[in-house]
Amino acid sequence: AQKITQTQPGMFVQEKEAVTLDCTYDTSDPSYGLFWYKQPSSGEMIFLIYQGSYDQQNATEGRYSLNFQKARKSANLVISASQLGDSAMYFCAMREGDGSSNTGKLIFGQGTTLQVKP
Amino acid sequence: DAGVIQSPRHEVTEMGQEVTLRCKPISGHNSLFWYRQTMMRGLELLIYFNNNVPIDDSGMPEDRFSAKMPNASFSTLKIQPSEPRDSAVYFCASSEPLAKKQYFGPGTRLTVT
Repeated sequence: AQKITQTQPGMFVQEKEAVTLDCTYDTSDPSYGLFWYKQPSSGEMIFLIYQGSYDQQNATEGRYSLNFQKARKSANLVISASQLGDSAMYFCAMREGDGSSNTGKLIFGQGTTLQVKP
Repeated sequence: DAGVIQSPRHEVTEMGQEVTLRCKPISGHNSLFWYRQTMMRGLELLIYFNNNVPIDDSGMPEDRFSAKMPNASFSTLKIQPSEPRDSAVYFCASSEPLAKKQYFGPGTRLTVT
């Protein structure tokens, strides 16, 4: 069965520094997608970044990058140059299948709370 | 362009009452998802639809929960009768065909007393 694990309940980072949020996953499907979402205190879920299992390069979106290590089944989120507005809960999620074969279902990890210190 | 719209944003009801949550997906999106978020269980997928057809409802906790999608622009999640343990934030999300990401609505915070 597919599973997402985020082992860091809470993290602190100094403003302007980089931070890595850990995510490991388990699936028997060779085709899958990995996602990171941000949930600020206001409650909405904001899509950050996506990595497909067959993508050759690590995904990047502005200050966000995904450190994808397929053999280790890890998909860590790296936030560079942290800002106070980055303080939020961060969720890693996985979807089995990709492209036309994707199931649509997202399975979420338990989340990591990030606090950025001024 | 409007995002996913959910109503109501907050709902407080008494145990035993019927609760109906509503969702309007983004126009053109053919997949719709209902999630529930609690402190204990995190974010769980309850049910999802493709082209208005329920594909997987294995996450629906009990028969008290039901969901419908009568057309491409509207879906409901109904709880009857409601119980205090149903208190949670319920999210609706939608996505385009073969899309890589889901767009979430603002959520409905349900409190059952």
